Formats: sequence, structure tokens, C-alpha cells
Amino acid sequence: DAGVIQSPRHEVTEMGQEVTLRCKPISGHNSLFWYRQTMMRGLELLIYFNNNVPIDDSGMPEDRFSAKMPNASFSTLKIQPSEPRDSAVYFCASSLGGYDGYTFGSGTRLTVV
Amino acid sequence: GQQVMQIPQYQHVQEGEDFTTYCNSSTTLSNIQWYKQRPGGHPVFLIQLVKSGEVKKQKRLTFQFGEAKKNSSLHITATQTTDVGTYFCAGVYNQGGKLIFGQGTELSVKP
Repeated sequence: DAGVIQSPRHEVTEMGQEVTLRCKPISGHNSLFWYRQTMMRGLELLIYFNNNVPIDDSGMPEDRFSAKMPNASFSTLKIQPSEPRDSAVYFCASSLGGYDGYTFGSGTRLTVV
Repeated sequence: GQQVMQIPQYQHVQEGEDFTTYCNSSTTLSNIQWYKQRPGGHPVFLIQLVKSGEVKKQKRLTFQFGEAKKNSSLHITATQTTDVGTYFCAGVYNQGGKLIFGQGTELSVKP
């Protein structure tokens, strides 16, 4: 199993540009989570899906952030327009039913200049 | 709101010394999980505790869940340089619900 796959690993973009982060969860896992990690705020849950349905998006910072899960093997997190304060490492994680430990991807390090 | 507090924020030890990190929630948890994140890496699942008073061991690591299911601890005996990293506790408040992470304890080990 290749684990949770995220792309790109690094992204540098200019303020105002659209950014799309991608995630492929582990096959068979039915829960998918997007986290953001910064020094100041630690690991924050942005949104999570069960069986491709968004369950809780209360952690999404503002309307500039959106997430989709069109099928069980793919999810995207989009920021439009991006701002320097969005710079962080974004992790995707998946689990089986949310009852077991999460498997995290390697993350996307986003820098907005 | 639901919040998991973790202390200390940093811990510097000499190799061979013991290390403990503590986690506390103001409300009862359904279960608690522990993760380790190496510098530059991603969180890696270590263990899950579900039952009140539960104690689990993984080699030199001992995990405890409090009787009231509001606190937890991770103890490492005789630390090694390979133990370096940040240890996170993460609580679940409703079974099958979202995982709320503590701020983490960064462990450094001097050889």
C-alpha cells in the first residue's frame, strides 16, 4: 500500500493566485481529513468527509477555502485567492470509519508570497 | 469548546533519561490517540486508548488513559536519540467523530 498520497509536495505561489492541493486516501478507508499545521496554531482540522460526504467544515478559515471529494479515491482542497497567511503545511489523512488511527500523507508545504 | 491541552511544550533530556508528556481535556473523551512527528515529517499513529484507566505498552513507551477519560500520558523509559520528535495526543469526543490535536511536546535527546 502506497499510503496516503498528496501532491504537490511543495507549492510556491503569488498572493491572489488559486492553489489546489490533492489527496489520494488509502484504498478502503472511508474517512478523509484535511489538516493545516503552523507553528502558531499547531495541527488544525479544516474539514472531514465520511463516505465522500463533508461532515464538518467548521475549521475552514473562510470562504476562500473549499474542499471536494468527488469519489472515494480523490479529494482536493482549493484556496482562491491565496494570501500570505495561508502559508503552512497542509496534511491529508484517512482512516477506516474514523474509529482507528489516522494515516497521514507527507503533506504539501504551501508558501504564498 | 473542545480542546486538548498538552504539556510540556518542549523537553530536553540526556540520552538514557526518562520522558513524560501529559494531555488534558476539560470534558470526557471517547478515546485518545497518540502520534509522533519527526522533524520535517508527518504525524505517525502510535496507539489508541479507549477504556477508562487503560494502560498500554510498546517497548519503552507506556501510554495511560485516566479513569475519568479526561487525561492521558505518554512515558518513555531510557530515551534514545531515535525518540527525537514531537509527540501529539489527539482526542475524540464523540465516537467516530473528529480528532482534536493537542499542541504537542517537542522532545530533544542529547547523546
